[in-house]
Amino acid sequence: AQTVTQSQPEMSVQEAETVTLSCTYDTSENNYYLFWYKQPPSRQMILVIRQEAYKQQNATENRFSVNFQKAAKSFSLKISDSQLGDTAMYFCAFMKQRSGNTPLVFGKGTRLSVIA
Amino acid sequence: EPEVTQTPSHQVTQMGQEVILRCVPISNHLYFYWYRQILGQKVEFLVSFYNNEISEKSEIFDDQFSVERPDGSNFTLKIRSTKLEDSAMYFCASSQDSWTEAFFGQGTRLTVV
Repeated sequence: AQTVTQSQPEMSVQEAETVTLSCTYDTSENNYYLFWYKQPPSRQMILVIRQEAYKQQNATENRFSVNFQKAAKSFSLKISDSQLGDTAMYFCAFMKQRSGNTPLVFGKGTRLSVIA
Repeated sequence: EPEVTQTPSHQVTQMGQEVILRCVPISNHLYFYWYRQILGQKVEFLVSFYNNEISEKSEIFDDQFSVERPDGSNFTLKIRSTKLEDSAMYFCASSQDSWTEAFFGQGTRLTVV
């Protein structure tokens, strides 16, 4: 079974600074996907960024980028130029690559507070 | 931008009552999911649904739970006889393909009293 571990329950960062959220996972699969989801106080789950395990290049989406280390099974999220609207719970998630429905396996989340 | 819609946003029910949570997935999506998040805890998979049948379910999804796609648009989760521990946020999600990311609805907060 796959597991996802987020070792930082809470973090804070000053506005405009950079913060990195950690995520490690355990799997015997070779092909899979990794995601970061954001859950603001409204509780909706919003996709932030996605990484395919077969791609060596780290994914980026504007101010959000990942550091994907496949051998180390590590998938950290870097938020640059943090904004107050980035305040949210951030969940790392794993998905096997296979045909048919593939459920996401989530970590416990990191609560990020951006301070003005 | 298309989105997954869930109703109601908040449901309060008495223990032992049946509840139906409703979801309208994104129209061209083929794969549907229900997840649950107990307050303060991580999001947990309940069930996945494709081609009008359950593809996979977790150990949480026992005989008290059922899912249905009664028409071409709605996707429902029924809890037959609610328990206090069913209180949680329930998220519906859909994806276009099995290898693409799931888009989540805004959730239904279920409170069992």
